[in-house]
Amino acid sequence: EPEVTQTPSHQVTQMGQEVILRCVPISNHLYFYWYRQILGQKVEFLVSFYNNEISEKSEIFDDQFSVERPDGSNFTLKIRSTKLEDSAMYFCASSPPGQGSSNEKLFFGSGTQLSVL
Amino acid sequence: DAKTTQPNSMESNEEEPVHLPCNHSTISGTDYIHWYRQLPSQGPEYVIHGLTSNVNNRMASLAIAEDRKSSTLILHRATLRDAAVYYCILRDGAGGTSYGKLTFGQGTILTVHP
Repeated sequence: EPEVTQTPSHQVTQMGQEVILRCVPISNHLYFYWYRQILGQKVEFLVSFYNNEISEKSEIFDDQFSVERPDGSNFTLKIRSTKLEDSAMYFCASSPPGQGSSNEKLFFGSGTQLSVL
Repeated sequence: DAKTTQPNSMESNEEEPVHLPCNHSTISGTDYIHWYRQLPSQGPEYVIHGLTSNVNNRMASLAIAEDRKSSTLILHRATLRDAAVYYCILRDGAGGTSYGKLTFGQGTILTVHP
């Protein structure tokens, strides 16, 4: 069964450094998302992306964050200058064409655990 | 999105049915009821969703109350692999651009005993 893949599974970085988290969504999907989960807390929406632009973003997704689909397969989340509070599990998700509505199913990856020291 | 209320935790024995309740008394007529689960160290996984009628798929069944103010996710025969956090989420079907914005609560932690 097709799945969303994320790399790396763990990323350790120093505060103030830039990190890029990578995701390969399911191949025929057109809607892409990033969520995060701080240890012991809820899963939180960050951003949705469709047709090469951001559809919606949360208040967490400030100017330090950016997303990109640099080619036909990858979807990346960049944090320009990491802070301690960015430490979390980051999940990429995608959903198929013909959806993009409240009837849609999201398919999530297994996540990248980001640790900012 | 309208709010949902779920028990913090539930327990079950392997091979027995599990009924996971969700209250959503402020649900609107266009809200879909979605269930996701999160296995340990995994991302959330879609389970099932419905609008008004009961729904069945290979993973579970969803029973929706006639007034839609509550719903129940039914796992017909729990296995150890079903131990996870189960999230009941309402999605507004009235249109707009909130594509993929799922609002997760704390969910119900399901423990399955051998």
